[in-house]
Amino acid sequence: DAKTTQPNSMESNEEEPVHLPCNHSTISGTDYIHWYRQLPSQGPEYVIHGLTSNVNNRMASLAIAEDRKSSTLILHRATLRDAAVYYCIPNTGNQFYFGTGTSLTVIP
Amino acid sequence: DAGVIQSPRHEVTEMGQEVTLRCKPISGHNSLFWYRQTMMRGLELLIYFNNNVPIDDSGMPEDRFSAKMPNASFSTLKIQPSEPRDSAVYFCASSLDLGDRVAEAFFGQGTRLTVV
Repeated sequence: DAKTTQPNSMESNEEEPVHLPCNHSTISGTDYIHWYRQLPSQGPEYVIHGLTSNVNNRMASLAIAEDRKSSTLILHRATLRDAAVYYCIPNTGNQFYFGTGTSLTVIP
Repeated sequence: DAGVIQSPRHEVTEMGQEVTLRCKPISGHNSLFWYRQTMMRGLELLIYFNNNVPIDDSGMPEDRFSAKMPNASFSTLKIQPSEPRDSAVYFCASSLDLGDRVAEAFFGQGTRLTVV
């Protein structure tokens, strides 16, 4: 599985956009890029995934670099409920190997 | 569906005792995963089942850990004998694997295990 690099922590003001970066320079051509998040005292939950094109869903947007060596999760308007650890996971198979993620703090 | 159900939610046991954690995956899902989370090591994948068959158990820390999936609706993770360093939150997750590599994993609420 591809190695990932994410900032340990980030802060955002409430109702402002947040861009969470992830470097995955060793990603293979068949790896999808998945993002999960873990709210305090909860299990991880799916956020979004993509392969090459940018993706949007009700929770977030995923911007994937043209060379696929990095991606950015975009929360368009951060709320207090978005405070969580965000994990970027490139994977080929059905298994997910979690790194250390980015701990997002949302400031009211 | 009620989601992935784990029991118990909390378990406190003495060192040397056997501990059994239980998981009911989402109905219809064919893949099941056991994870362990600690502050030091983060989220670790312990074992992965597909269609009730263990596919990859390379993450199981040692022989004291064993996992079974006797049917599609039930799995157990057993630690025998337990040690204080096994204290962690154990998560079970399930997904519907259609072979397209994009199956979303749904996680349970976890079992917080404390071994004293």
